[in-house]
Amino acid sequence: DSGVTQTPKHLITATGQRVTLRCSPRSGDLSVYWYQQSLDQGLQFLIQYYNGEERAKGNILERFSAQQFPDLHSELNLSSLELGDSALYFCASSPFDEASNYGYTFGSGTRLTVV
Amino acid sequence: SQELEQSPQSLIVQEGKNLTINCTSSKTLYGLYWYKQKYGEGLIFLMMLQKGGEEKSHEKITAKLDEKKQQSSLHITASQPSHAGTYLCGADISGSARQLTFGSGTQLTVLP
Repeated sequence: DSGVTQTPKHLITATGQRVTLRCSPRSGDLSVYWYQQSLDQGLQFLIQYYNGEERAKGNILERFSAQQFPDLHSELNLSSLELGDSALYFCASSPFDEASNYGYTFGSGTRLTVV
Repeated sequence: SQELEQSPQSLIVQEGKNLTINCTSSKTLYGLYWYKQKYGEGLIFLMMLQKGGEEKSHEKITAKLDEKKQQSSLHITASQPSHAGTYLCGADISGSARQLTFGSGTQLTVLP
């Protein structure tokens, strides 16, 4: 157990629907990062929050949004889902705004299947 | 990512053999991270390299960073079945250390 908790582990939904993925960072970590892993694109950075504020944005679609709450947990909202959004979504956390010598701690991921 | 190339894509070795995985960046490396991933699971942090010529070891895994060549190598000595998995290199190429660009991974199989 890495200390980063992601729920749900698996999610199957239909095209056009909206889902919310949840992440609780490791105790004491203030940064949360979201990554998408698919067979064709590999592991892609989506977005980072530090202590409630958005700090970095990657290749995140406009249909996707995220936020980090005062208790530091984060949610990734995916809307108007398409088949191509099927992927493993990872959350990672770190103590600092920037990656440290210890890298990020990754959760076990949420596997999203859009049918 | 084309910005970060890993080779080989897959590797099958006999238990006890040594092996090397390479990671080459097309951009300046501000930090290089190695992770291991079991199929369908999260990434486990192995080590991070930052300075040119830096070398770190953990158990039988050694990673080196050649800053001039913008390249890193991961070497496993006397491989064991427990080393099997996908090895991913992730690099900070933005300089902000807030996001990592990952290679496509090297899938390692160790035959007993």
